[in-house]
Amino acid sequence: DQQVKQNSPSLSVQEGRISILNCDYTNSMFDYFLWYKKYPAEGPTFLISISSIKDKNEDGRFTVFLNKSAKHLSLHIVPSQPGDSAVYFCAASVTPGGYNKLIFGAGTRLAVHP
Amino acid sequence: GAVVSQHPSRVICKSGTSVKIECRSLDFQATTMFWYRQFPKQSLMLMATSNEGSKATYEQGVEKDKFLINHASLTLSTLTVTSAHPEDSSFYICSASPGLHNEQFFGPGTRLTVL
Repeated sequence: DQQVKQNSPSLSVQEGRISILNCDYTNSMFDYFLWYKKYPAEGPTFLISISSIKDKNEDGRFTVFLNKSAKHLSLHIVPSQPGDSAVYFCAASVTPGGYNKLIFGAGTRLAVHP
Repeated sequence: GAVVSQHPSRVICKSGTSVKIECRSLDFQATTMFWYRQFPKQSLMLMATSNEGSKATYEQGVEKDKFLINHASLTLSTLTVTSAHPEDSSFYICSASPGLHNEQFFGPGTRLTVL
């Protein structure tokens, strides 16, 4: 049972344009959401996060939007740069027993071309 | 800050042998460390969660006797794949959490190949 879904396995965007990566979840108990960027044969790198009490969080070129009623979040990258090309993972967090546990989506491969 | 290292980065071993992978948080104390496994073109699957000084909590379907986890200190956790078989070949990634804001910082991963 996939609790976190990234339905687009890949996305191709022109440099300078906006990249929008989407993520859906099913568990209403998730209270924190994160986006990670991953290059091949490397560990994921934290990008940006959002608490369930907010609907938007912005950090430079990256903005995450959360729509709790739709159980949907998205990552906007603007303007997109070739160095943004990587696999992006959406993750949702529950806090059983006081420690955080991340459930990852399958990832979306972003390709930013000149 | 928030650097996590893993060692080794790549290991090739014979079937039946055991392999130990180390995960260290270099510049912070990790109250909790996590071990993930990633198959090609798939997501990261959480294997187990460990807190310093206590037994690890394994996810459903993960054999605790096969994947031994030791969280010896606030900066070191080890994963030992015992009696490795070719189907254990995978990319293993650890992460460490200082316990703030649900953030996890990931290591660079270890590529295990069992012949």
